[in-house]
Amino acid sequence: DIQMTQSPSSLSASVGDRVTITCRASQSISSYLNWYQQKPGKAPKLLIYAASSLQSGVPSRFSGSGSGTDFTLTISSLQPEDFATYYCQQSYSTPRAFGQGTKLEIK
Amino acid sequence: QVQLQESGPGLVKPSQTLSLTCTVSGGSISSGGYYWSWIRQHPGKGLEWIGYIYYSGSTYYNPSLKSRVTISVDTSKNQFSLKLSSVTAADTAVYYCARDTMVRGVDWGQGTLVTVSS
Repeated sequence: DIQMTQSPSSLSASVGDRVTITCRASQSISSYLNWYQQKPGKAPKLLIYAASSLQSGVPSRFSGSGSGTDFTLTISSLQPEDFATYYCQQSYSTPRAFGQGTKLEIK
Repeated sequence: QVQLQESGPGLVKPSQTLSLTCTVSGGSISSGGYYWSWIRQHPGKGLEWIGYIYYSGSTYYNPSLKSRVTISVDTSKNQFSLKLSSVTAADTAVYYCARDTMVRGVDWGQGTLVTVSS
């Protein structure tokens, strides 16, 4: 089974900061990597699919990159509504696996 | 735009079977290329993939839950269902139904909290 490891597990940042979250797969998953944002009490929301494709309606300050085993999610200029928990997920094989999450908090 | 809605009891007694249904609207569950999935999230914790069913009836379950999980599909009602047997307090979680694709990620239902308690 493929394991997904995110870092950091939590992050404090300020509005306007550039933030990067990383996700590592235990084996190559090509570009089958998705990123989600989750706010308290809500379902996760798809931000990025296929490692770097921006989901329709998602602001362009979000971007994703990587392939193989190493991936990043970057928020170019944090906005107040971006403070949430972020998860990566591999869709290369079953069982599907999620990273443990990165909680982005206001500094 | 596909929409998914979970329904079922919010309270289940220990040792009983948890049963949830997901109603799909805005798209046919018989469409190929989609894996109709269940995912759960324990309170304050991360996301755990439970399993999925393809419209043809093929299933795949998380090995950690495989002995207790059954996912089925009713194409005539555009619904799919989850049964989790022999539940304990450790199965208390928000359960999400979802549409999974290999290349375009997951579309989520709103989630439903299921509490296991006597």
